[in-house]
Amino acid sequence: AQSVTQPDIHITVSEGASLELRCNYSYGATPYLFWYVQSPGQGLQLLLKYFSGDTLVQGIKGFEAEFKRSQSSFNLRKPSVHWSDAAEYFCAVDAGNNRKLIWGLGTSLAVNP
Amino acid sequence: DTGVSQDPRHKITKRGQNVTFRCDPISEHNRLYWYRQTLGQGPEFLTYFQNEAQLEKSRLLSDRFSAERPKGSFSTLEIQRTEQGDSAMYLCASSLGGDNQPQHFGDGTRLSIL
Repeated sequence: AQSVTQPDIHITVSEGASLELRCNYSYGATPYLFWYVQSPGQGLQLLLKYFSGDTLVQGIKGFEAEFKRSQSSFNLRKPSVHWSDAAEYFCAVDAGNNRKLIWGLGTSLAVNP
Repeated sequence: DTGVSQDPRHKITKRGQNVTFRCDPISEHNRLYWYRQTLGQGPEFLTYFQNEAQLEKSRLLSDRFSAERPKGSFSTLEIQRTEQGDSAMYLCASSLGGDNQPQHFGDGTRLSIL
């Protein structure tokens, strides 16, 4: 069965520090992979997506993610975190023709001033 | 582009009552999805429409739940005889058809069962 694992439930970083959020997936074929961000009480905003081609993808708000097939990973990175980046981050895999998404449990990011 | 719109944003009701939520997708999107999200969890897939056809329903969607998309535009999700365990955020998303089309989410409807 398809699954997504986000090993870190909660991460705290200082403003201006670099960030890496981990995501591992389980899927038999090449997946479509996504990172979404959710602020409290809000819906989910798409940060970036990977479908094929270049394994390093750029997203909005200065985020990027790298697809590594050998490690079944799709980690999210940002070189310098801003206080406004504090939110919940979800990794998801699109694992079928009907395009439903399978989600990780999320990583809560706190940013210290 | 008005985005995906959900109504209401919040619903508080007593156990046993029926509730109905509405989702208006992005106008040109022919795919529409419903998800449920409980506190501290990722979203869980409930059901999916392509145009007016409901193509898949999760086993999470018990017989108390029904979703419709009668004209292939807006969709409604109804929960009958609500239970405490139905308390959650109900998220709607839409996308264009075909490959390489990401899902765009509304802000959700938060349901609280008293």
